[in-house]
Amino acid sequence: AQRVTQPEKLLSVFKGAPVELKCNYSYSGSPELFWYVQYSRQRLQLLLRHISRESIKGFTADLNKGETSFHLKKPFAQEEDSAMYYCALSDPMNYGGSQGNLIFGKGTKLSVKP
Amino acid sequence: ETGVTQSPTHLIKTRGQQVTLRCSSQSGHNTVSWYQQALGQGPQFIFQYYREEENGRGNFPPRFSGLQFPNYSSELNVNALELDDSALYLCASSLVGAPGEKLFFGSGTQLSVL
Repeated sequence: AQRVTQPEKLLSVFKGAPVELKCNYSYSGSPELFWYVQYSRQRLQLLLRHISRESIKGFTADLNKGETSFHLKKPFAQEEDSAMYYCALSDPMNYGGSQGNLIFGKGTKLSVKP
Repeated sequence: ETGVTQSPTHLIKTRGQQVTLRCSSQSGHNTVSWYQQALGQGPQFIFQYYREEENGRGNFPPRFSGLQFPNYSSELNVNALELDDSALYLCASSLVGAPGEKLFFGSGTQLSVL
């Protein structure tokens, strides 16, 4: 079954510490993987996607097809990184190339303490 | 450029009633996706509309239906409401075919079924 698993509901770190938010997926095709973030009182928004291979706000994520993982990492956490993070996948081949059919994990709440 | 707007922001209904939620896409977008987010869960894909036709559906019963209008705004209709339908309903729009298609989410409609 198609599934995205985020094993940690809450991750608490101190400012300046490294952060790794875990994401594993189960999918038989060739999905695209994303990380979405929701800051307090803001909308859900895209943080990064694996095909872009870019770093956003110091965050990076590498797709490991062998381990079916897409962990989100940042070497030095900042207080403003505190938010809800969702890992998601889509299979654009199933929807005419659209990214709109996302399968989300349950999310991990990151709390960065001063 | 206007963002994705949803109305109403909050709604209370009784079991068995019907409800209509509305979404205005971001300017220039041609696709709308709807998601249901129960408390403590990640968003779950309901369906997507592209050029006024349903372009994919998640694991939701037929009493969940939708429309997309020529101006790309959309409605989500839920008939015979059940208590478990209580959730945050998110709308997201995108431009299919654009390089690096990106979903833009609305703030959601919080539906409570009593």
